[in-house]
Amino acid sequence: DSGVTQTPKHLITATGQRVTLRCSPRSGDLSVYWYQQSLDQGLQFLIQYYNGEERAKGNILERFSAQQFPDLHSELNLSSLELGDSALYFCASSPGQNFEKLFFGSGTQLSVL
Amino acid sequence: AQSVTQLDSHVSVSEGTPVLLRCNYSSSYSPSLFWYVQHPNKGLQLLLKYTSAATLVKGINGFEAEFKKSETSFHLTKPSAHMSDAAEYFCVVRTLRSSGTYKYIFGTGTRLKVLA
Repeated sequence: DSGVTQTPKHLITATGQRVTLRCSPRSGDLSVYWYQQSLDQGLQFLIQYYNGEERAKGNILERFSAQQFPDLHSELNLSSLELGDSALYFCASSPGQNFEKLFFGSGTQLSVL
Repeated sequence: AQSVTQLDSHVSVSEGTPVLLRCNYSSSYSPSLFWYVQHPNKGLQLLLKYTSAATLVKGINGFEAEFKKSETSFHLTKPSAHMSDAAEYFCVVRTLRSSGTYKYIFGTGTRLKVLA
């Protein structure tokens, strides 16, 4: 158990809808990272937040957004969903901001029908 | 432009034989490089990282990687494969943007299969 909690574990929705994925980092970790893993695109880094502020950005679509709250949990919002958004979304946390000592959650499997 | 290329999408080795997973990178700046492992249905785990210190980096579970600037490579090796090493491995390059934030680029992954 990494200490990183992602909810829900599975999510099934329809095209055009909006969903929110939640991540609770390990106790004491200030950074939260979001990743997307899909079959055709492999693993992609989406975005990082550190202590409430955006720290790094990867290949995140404009339809996607994220935020980190004062209690350090994070939410990833996916809107106007398309079939291609179906993927496994991982969250990770780390104590610092430099992509080190990452601890990963078990992921949320999103299926867009 | 920065990029990372994992040269093999699949690698099969026999248990007890050496492992070599290849990674080449392209970066305008001196990068930081990482190897991660992902076991089925689990999250990623950091194996090792290079951040401009020693060019030979030792990681967990007997893995190590050597940063070769002249070859722009950061190949992952292990002297003797175990069945538990079967997983997906990702090479990652991190560079610094002019804005001061980091940019992370992932390789497409190498699936390691270990044969009994």
